[in-house]
Amino acid sequence: AQSVTQLDSHVSVSEGTPVLLRCNYSSSYSPSLFWYVQHPNKGLQLLLKYTSAATLVKGINGFEAEFKKSETSFHLTKPSAHMSDAAEYFCVVRPGNQFYFGTGTSLTVIP
Amino acid sequence: GAVVSQHPSWVICKSGTSVKIECRSLDFQATTMFWYRQFPKQSLMLMATSNEGSKATYEQGVEKDKFLINHASLTLSTLTVTSAHPEDSSFYICSARKRTSVLNTGELFFGEGSRLTVL
Repeated sequence: AQSVTQLDSHVSVSEGTPVLLRCNYSSSYSPSLFWYVQHPNKGLQLLLKYTSAATLVKGINGFEAEFKKSETSFHLTKPSAHMSDAAEYFCVVRPGNQFYFGTGTSLTVIP
Repeated sequence: GAVVSQHPSWVICKSGTSVKIECRSLDFQATTMFWYRQFPKQSLMLMATSNEGSKATYEQGVEKDKFLINHASLTLSTLTVTSAHPEDSSFYICSARKRTSVLNTGELFFGEGSRLTVL
């Protein structure tokens, strides 16, 4: 069975502090993993993706994520939060031709 | 990059009328497009998978006669909400996958979404 769990529905950080958004998955196959960001009333924008190459993946806007097979995790991090990072973040798993979405994490950045 | 255009961004209609939403891949061919519905503060709910030249595959609980999907070309899919009612008010998002190629890294490219309000 395939599934995606985003452990926090809401994360709040102060501007300039690190961001950690957690994602765990279960998959019968070696999956591709993605993080997308959604700003209010907008579509989803790809932040980064893991497709069985390097386990540490760098994305846009200073975000990165590390694929840890032993922990079945793909947590999203950023060293220093910016006000413009406030948005909804979705972890997505693609074990084959299907895409499985996490329930989303809402990131609030406090000035 | 790969751009997916969705139109209209906002639409308000009267109850009982039909509304068509377009999803276009602007700079690539998309053999598969997906339609989602998103409720406030929730994740995306897959409604149907649309393959070019064939009938759409609907998820369980989605009425195919209510949500008509047409994927007439490799760059265009449409979702028509027929006889819309206030409970159909929602944010609808499409996404597209590139036609399989050596450059296909498998991610989805999303439209900007369409906010439907049915009065």
